[in-house]
Amino acid sequence: NAGVTQTPKFQVLKTGQSMTLQCAQDMNHEYMSWYRQDPGMGLRLIHYSVGAGITDQGEVPNGYNVSRSTTEDFPLRLLSAAPSQTSVYFCASKGLDAGNTIYFGEGSWLTVV
Amino acid sequence: KQEVTQIPAALSVPEGENLVLNCSFTDSAIYNLQWFRQDPGKGLTSLLLIQSSQREQTSGRLNASLDKSSGRSTLYIAASQPGDSATYLCAVRSPRGSTLGRLYFGRGTQLTVWP
Repeated sequence: NAGVTQTPKFQVLKTGQSMTLQCAQDMNHEYMSWYRQDPGMGLRLIHYSVGAGITDQGEVPNGYNVSRSTTEDFPLRLLSAAPSQTSVYFCASKGLDAGNTIYFGEGSWLTVV
Repeated sequence: KQEVTQIPAALSVPEGENLVLNCSFTDSAIYNLQWFRQDPGKGLTSLLLIQSSQREQTSGRLNASLDKSSGRSTLYIAASQPGDSATYLCAVRSPRGSTLGRLYFGRGTQLTVWP
């Protein structure tokens, strides 16, 4: 099973450029989310979605956009990259019951210069 | 806001030792608590999920306990092996936003088990 798949694995951007991190899951999970992981900060929630057409902000949404046109895909867009967005980004998915286990992708390493 | 703290931040032990990783959280109103393992350059792998109504969960050499009233959880690893070397993350799912709540992470304990 593929689980949660993220692309690209590594990316270097120049300040001001835009890009999209892709995330796809094949477990038919309604809930999908994006986190960023920074040294000494733990994982922080950026945006999440509880189903196609429904998205909401997390803890650190500024500078990021998301959309959910299908159950499988949840892309994260950086509108105008800044050095502060240098981080490791993780996509995750789970079923809608709060008790379900959450599954993570392997991460996307983003450097903004 | 829920805050999750993990102690110690790093731990280095010889192979074969039994060890305990600690996690504390400030708000006892949680749906569940989950322990994850993260290997360098990899994503998070779920180890154990404890529902708020449960006291502990076991999987192989791993045992996690939950004391919701005191805001604490421990992850016990028996007979540690070099392959256990990784960062262990604790996360609690608290009521916030959607009915699913929100997952709050600790900063992790970096474990090294040497032969």
